[in-house]
Amino acid sequence: DVKVTQSSRYLVKRTGEKVFLECVQDMDHENMFWYRQDPGLGLRLIYFSYDVKMKEKGDIPEGYSVSREKKERFSLILESASTNQTSMYLCASSPSREQETQYFGPGTRLLVL
Amino acid sequence: AQKITQTQPGMFVQEKEAVTLDCTYDTSDPSYGLFWYKQPSSGEMIFLIYQGSYDQQNATEGRYSLNFQKARKSANLVISASQLGDSAMYFCAMRDSSYKLIFGSGTRLLVRP
Repeated sequence: DVKVTQSSRYLVKRTGEKVFLECVQDMDHENMFWYRQDPGLGLRLIYFSYDVKMKEKGDIPEGYSVSREKKERFSLILESASTNQTSMYLCASSPSREQETQYFGPGTRLLVL
Repeated sequence: AQKITQTQPGMFVQEKEAVTLDCTYDTSDPSYGLFWYKQPSSGEMIFLIYQGSYDQQNATEGRYSLNFQKARKSANLVISASQLGDSAMYFCAMRDSSYKLIFGSGTRLLVRP
């Protein structure tokens, strides 16, 4: 079975803090993705990566950055957290561009006070 | 622009009955993929079923089937013999030309005993 893990299920941070959300997959997948999910808005893509050290902006990259130093790990960074970044964050991975089914982690519920 | 539309914010179904969740999509790409995911209250997105645009037959996975009508641009999910554990949010998604997923706003399904 595909296993995607995220470092925290729940996280509470203060405005202005630097926040790291970690995602690890154990299936040697090439592609990794970060989404945020808000009520009524569905899932929106923040950043994605097709290979190590590669990253591409999704639909809502503002206020976020990412890092992919190893194939299995994709980190989402909030440089200076703000209250409008309170959300559910979901990481996903897929085997390749040709094998496109994305498998998701359990999600991190982030609250920024 | 590519878009996924789920017009049913919420649905009820009686246990052991079948239910259809609607999904329509809009794309000008000849090649695309359609997905359905289930999200229980725990938050994890669970992959259910996939349909490729060139697939001749409708996809089936156990109690899940995808009613793919290409000319109508619809990809409805049919769940047969509903179970209490099927109560969840259901998201339709489409893979776009750059291999990203675009999600609909979701349908909340409640299975009544």
